[in-house]
Amino acid sequence: DIVLTQSPLSLPVTLGQPASISCRSSQSLVHSNGNIYLNWFLQRPGQSPRRLIYEVSKRDSGVPDRFSGSGSGTDFTLKISRVEAEDIGVYYCMQVTHWPRSFGQGTKLEIE
Amino acid sequence: EVQVVESGGGLVQPGGSLRLSCAASGFTFGDYAMNWVRQAPGKGLEWVSLISGGGGDLYYAESVKGRFIISRDSARNSLYLQMNSVRVEDTAVYYCARGTTELDFWGRGTLVTVSS
Repeated sequence: DIVLTQSPLSLPVTLGQPASISCRSSQSLVHSNGNIYLNWFLQRPGQSPRRLIYEVSKRDSGVPDRFSGSGSGTDFTLKISRVEAEDIGVYYCMQVTHWPRSFGQGTKLEIE
Repeated sequence: EVQVVESGGGLVQPGGSLRLSCAASGFTFGDYAMNWVRQAPGKGLEWVSLISGGGGDLYYAESVKGRFIISRDSARNSLYLQMNSVRVEDTAVYYCARGTTELDFWGRGTLVTVSS
C-alpha cells in the first residue's frame, strides 16, 4: 500500500507570511496513463474536507491563487503565498493513483 | 447544485450491523463513482471504499474488507454502506464523496459510534 508522509504535522504561521507543506509518497504516483493523481484538501474546524488542488497542481474553482501545488513522482508540495486567517485548519494530501487510496496524516496550520 | 447528504449513523454495539445512506443530487449519479471516507474522533481521514458508476467495480480498504459492503441504487440516486461485524475502531464520522479520482464534493458526514 502507498504511504503518504506529510511534514510538518504542525505549522504555526504569521498572517501574511508564506507556508509550505510537503507530501512524500512511498511509491511513484505516476498512473499507467501518465497522469499523477495527487489531491490536496483543507478541513476547517467543524467542517467537511474541501478539495483545493487536484492532479498535483490544478486549482479548484473558487480557490484563491495564493494556493499552489507542485511536484512529481514521489515528492509533492502545497504552498500558500500569503497566509490569511481563513486558511487555518488541517491540510491533507491524498493519492488516487493506486488502490487502496490513501491520505497523508494531515498538517495543522495555525496562526501565530 | 451538487449535493451529497449522508444519513443512517448512530450507536451500535460491537458485532452489530448498520446501514449508511448517501443521497445525491445536482449531477448525473450514474456518471460518477462514489466513495466512503471516514474520520475517527480527533484523527485523520481514512478512505474506506469505492463503487464505480455502473456498480460493477468495488474496492475496499483492508480494514473493512469482508465486513462492509458498498452498493448503489441509480433509480434512487443513492449510495449505501452496509456495515457488519462492527468494531469499536469503526467509530467515526463517515463521509460520502464523488468521483473515481476527483473527490470534489463531500457531504457533512454521519457519525457512527460503536460501543457497548
